[in-house]
Amino acid sequence: QFVLTQSPSASASLGASVRLTCTLSSGHSNYAIAWHQQRPEKGPRYLLKLNSDGSHIKGDGIPDRFSASSSGAERYLTISSLQSDDEADYYCQTWGTGIQVVFGGGTKLTVL
Amino acid sequence: EVQLLESGGGLVQPGGSLRLSCAASGFTLSSYSMTWVRQAPGKGLEWVSYIRGSGTSTYYADSVKGRFTISRDNSKNTLYLQMISLRAEDTAIYYCAKIDRAAAGPVDYWGRGTLVTVSS
Repeated sequence: QFVLTQSPSASASLGASVRLTCTLSSGHSNYAIAWHQQRPEKGPRYLLKLNSDGSHIKGDGIPDRFSASSSGAERYLTISSLQSDDEADYYCQTWGTGIQVVFGGGTKLTVL
Repeated sequence: EVQLLESGGGLVQPGGSLRLSCAASGFTLSSYSMTWVRQAPGKGLEWVSYIRGSGTSTYYADSVKGRFTISRDNSKNTLYLQMISLRAEDTAIYYCAKIDRAAAGPVDYWGRGTLVTVSS
């Protein structure tokens, strides 16, 4: 069973940094993922694709405040200089042979 | 500029049918895999169905297998989701999404969604 695990919630102060985590299930630590942002009452937006080696490619118009990294089976999204409109749900997504599209449960980020 | 515009949502009774459309622009539909993702009220994203760029392979979540059919008309640059035998638990916003390649990969563009409500 391929599972992506995310903490249900996170919070950080305005202007601070926060790191969100997506954990790949056992045996899948070499998979790439994508991070998506969903602001309240809006559709999702693609942020970036993150490889197992930590290299990542951002989507169109994604600011430098968003970065990503990897460690083993964990994939991270770091948002620096938090702004009020970063308050959103963040989803990780992966793919592969036999598992065309899989989403994590999402993390609700609150900006204090 | 890539754009995805869903249509066809609405209110339908349990057991009814609905066909969703997704008009794609800014790219050639036949060159990319596409997927439908839904979001029930207050819930997270749930993958529904996927079609390869070639259109020869389709995949479905267990929750919709046998009831939903994904298809594409490359001449119209349009993706479809035919839904039959609808249930209350199919109530959700349905998003059309583009994959960044002809095979499985990351979603790189999303539509704005269309709301499907299954209720008597």
